[in-house]
Amino acid sequence: NAGVTQTPKFRILKIGQSMTLQCTQDMNHNYMYWYRQDPGMGLKLIYYSVGAGITDKGEVPNGYNVSRSTTEDFPLRLELAAPSQTSVYFCASSVVKGISGELFFGEGSRLTVL
Amino acid sequence: GESVGLHLPTLSVQEGDNSIINCAYSNSASDYFIWYKQESGKGPQFIIDIRSNMDKRQGQRVTVLLNKTVKHLSLQIAATQPGDSAVYFCAENSGGSNYKLTFGKGTLLTVNP
Repeated sequence: NAGVTQTPKFRILKIGQSMTLQCTQDMNHNYMYWYRQDPGMGLKLIYYSVGAGITDKGEVPNGYNVSRSTTEDFPLRLELAAPSQTSVYFCASSVVKGISGELFFGEGSRLTVL
Repeated sequence: GESVGLHLPTLSVQEGDNSIINCAYSNSASDYFIWYKQESGKGPQFIIDIRSNMDKRQGQRVTVLLNKTVKHLSLQIAATQPGDSAVYFCAENSGGSNYKLTFGKGTLLTVNP
């Protein structure tokens, strides 16, 4: 199984440009998440989804948008990129079965805004 | 500020020694905790989890201890190996649900051969 797949792995944007980070999972997980990780810091939750058609804001949603039209896909849209959005972005999914809330992460997408 | 934090940002140990990584949390409502390992250039990987109705949980070479009185979590790695070198994060379900986790800043563990 591929697990959680993110594209692109690297991207450089100019200030004001827009782009979409793609995320897909093949584990049939209901829950999906987008985190950002700044250097030397932990992960901050941007948006999450508990199922197709349902999304909600996390800790740091400003400047981002998401959609969840299918169980498999959870793209993250950056509108009007700003230098403060330079970060590594991680998509994750989980099934939340029983007591376990284990998240399965993708390899990350490194974004630089210049 | 961070509701989940770490006492030591870096930890250096000799191969074969035991490692202890500590984590403090401030949200007394959290009842589920996870440790993740992140190797350079990769996404975090699940190591072990524990619920608040337990004080200790063991896995393969790892043990998580939870002290709810002082809101402290630790990860013990036995017989540390070079492959254990990574950043370790603790996370809590500060939102009260398993699927919304708050992560600490992480501790960099370096294992010297």
